Amino acid sequence: GQNIDQPTEMTATEGAIVQINCTYQTSGFNGLFWYQQHAGEAPTFLSYNVLDGLEEKGRFSSFLSRSKGYSYLLLKELQMKDSASYLCAVLDSNYQLIWGAGTKLIIKP
Amino acid sequence: DTAVSQTPKYLVTQMGNDKSIKCEQNLGHDTMYWYKQDSKKFLKIMFSYNNKELIINETVPNRFSPKSPDKAHLNLHINSLELGDSAVYFCASSRSPSTDTQYFGPGTRLTVL
Repeated sequence: GQNIDQPTEMTATEGAIVQINCTYQTSGFNGLFWYQQHAGEAPTFLSYNVLDGLEEKGRFSSFLSRSKGYSYLLLKELQMKDSASYLCAVLDSNYQLIWGAGTKLIIKP
Repeated sequence: DTAVSQTPKYLVTQMGNDKSIKCEQNLGHDTMYWYKQDSKKFLKIMFSYNNKELIINETVPNRFSPKSPDKAHLNLHINSLELGDSAVYFCASSRSPSTDTQYFGPGTRLTVL
């Protein structure tokens, strides 16, 4: 079966750094997405990785290792507005997006 | 201008009723999707249309019927609503079915009483 694993919940302090991990087992791989979803709102796109390595975009970076079936999202200089769920999703061989359950990130002052 | 819009935003109805949710995108995208997000927050694909043709049809009760009158619209009709249908339904669109980013509508919170 296809599986995406993420921690259910994480807590971090304002101004700190947090790393949210995602491991996946899918039938084929055509890329990995990270989305942010604030409570009661729609998911919004953060990043897309298809090659191994680190992609940096401002305070957010995303890393991929295809051989390990592993990705992480790194958030630096955390702000209160970063409190949200972070969803990992993998595009499988049929170009279907398989979603993880999301990691709820709680930021404390 | 809203890129992907859905109506209604909230829908409260009785078991056994039939209801529809409408979705429109003004991004010029070819592909549209319907997702269901339940209380456990899993986003589950239900349907996907590319150029008005059904390309993904997951194991969804046949009480759910999508309709795509044109590329910019994908509506979802639900017959004989059940308690378990209560969830948030998201419409999304992308340029193509392959690697492109999906853009989500604001969601429709359906509550079946």
